[in-house]
Amino acid sequence: NAGVTQTPKFQVLKTGQSMTLQCAQDMNHEYMSWYRQDPGMGLRLIHYSVGAGITDQGEVPNGYNVSRSTTEDFPLRLLSAAPSQTSVYFCASSRTGGFRSSYNSPLHFGNGTRLTVT
Amino acid sequence: GQQVMQIPQYQHVQEGEDFTTYCNSSTTLSNIQWYKQRPGGHPVFLIQLVKSGEVKKQKRLTFQFGEAKKNSSLHITATQTTDVGTYFCAGRNQGGKLIFGQGTELSVKP
Repeated sequence: NAGVTQTPKFQVLKTGQSMTLQCAQDMNHEYMSWYRQDPGMGLRLIHYSVGAGITDQGEVPNGYNVSRSTTEDFPLRLLSAAPSQTSVYFCASSRTGGFRSSYNSPLHFGNGTRLTVT
Repeated sequence: GQQVMQIPQYQHVQEGEDFTTYCNSSTTLSNIQWYKQRPGGHPVFLIQLVKSGEVKKQKRLTFQFGEAKKNSSLHITATQTTDVGTYFCAGRNQGGKLIFGQGTELSVKP
């Protein structure tokens, strides 16, 4: 059982380049999300999806696009990379988003993508 | 917007000493989750607390959820080198968003 798979593990971009970070899960989870992790800032939510065809913005969505055409995949697109987007990116999924429930499924994280923008 | 504040940011302890990290929210939380991230790794779910005043234990780890559901703590008794890592709390607000604290980085000196 692979869980949440992220590719690539490392990436270096030049300012203005675009790229897509891939995320796939094989647990049939409804909820998928993208976080960025920066020193002293914790994990900040970029975008999330509660099911195929549904996406929404998190805390720091600017400069990023997402789509959810299938339950399994949730790619994150950087449209025009900037040095401020240098970070470690984590994809995470859970069985449900459960926004209307007091109990929510735990998040399963991928191994992360370390992105450097020069 | 809602914030989840976590303190301290760093904690250095001698092996065998106790460790506590605290998590405070500006608003009432519907539940709180705790995660551990080993150096170079990804966050891994530890536990979830839902009820007001709830206390849960996992071996040497004790988790508490405040009566007002605005704060939480993680206490590790007699730390070991295997406890090294960053501990995150994550609070679910009434609107459903999961907000992470900044994390507490624990280092343990043998």
